[in-house]
Amino acid sequence: SQKIEQNSEALNIQEGKTATLTCNYTNYSPAYLQWYRQDPGRGPVFLLLIRENEKEKRKERLKVTFDTTLKQSLFHITASQPADSATYLCALDINSGYSTLTFGKGTMLLVSP
Amino acid sequence: DAGVIQSPRHEVTEMGQEVTLRCKPISGHDYLFWYRQTMMRGLELLIYFNNNVPIDDSGMPEDRFSAKMPNASFSTLKIQPSEPRDSAVYFCASSGRGDGTQYFGPGTRLLVL
Repeated sequence: SQKIEQNSEALNIQEGKTATLTCNYTNYSPAYLQWYRQDPGRGPVFLLLIRENEKEKRKERLKVTFDTTLKQSLFHITASQPADSATYLCALDINSGYSTLTFGKGTMLLVSP
Repeated sequence: DAGVIQSPRHEVTEMGQEVTLRCKPISGHDYLFWYRQTMMRGLELLIYFNNNVPIDDSGMPEDRFSAKMPNASFSTLKIQPSEPRDSAVYFCASSGRGDGTQYFGPGTRLLVL
């Protein structure tokens, strides 16, 4: 079966440290992968998109890597802040086109002061 | 831009009643998606439209669920009759042509008693 796996346990880190979240997938060959942030009571918000031919993408304190051989993406937040506390979802296009996304269940990040 | 607008934000109803959820996508976006989110199953795609035409409704759980998009600025998701297991948060999202990014609404929290 097709799966997208993210750590179900919350990640607790201290302010200032780097948070690293993992997204693993099986049986897909996505053309791109996206990361979203979701705050309680709100809809997901797009953060970054990385294509299959890109190894790494950066945006301010965020960095995403994409290893199509390992079928894994890593999402890093450097110099984390309490305001970064949220659930982070990865999403894949399973139809190799700009249409539908399949989402992981997300990992909750808690950054303590 | 006001973003994706959903109404109502909260809905409490009794089993057997009809529920109608509404969505206004971002102007100019030609894709519209309906999702359901629960703790157990995460974010699941129910149906999506392209240029107001339903493309894939394979995620709609049962015939009790139906969705329409009469024009580019409005869509509805209807559940008739509703059941307690339909309790979830329902999100609408929209996306522009050639851009895989999806923009989510705030969601409708549905509770069926």
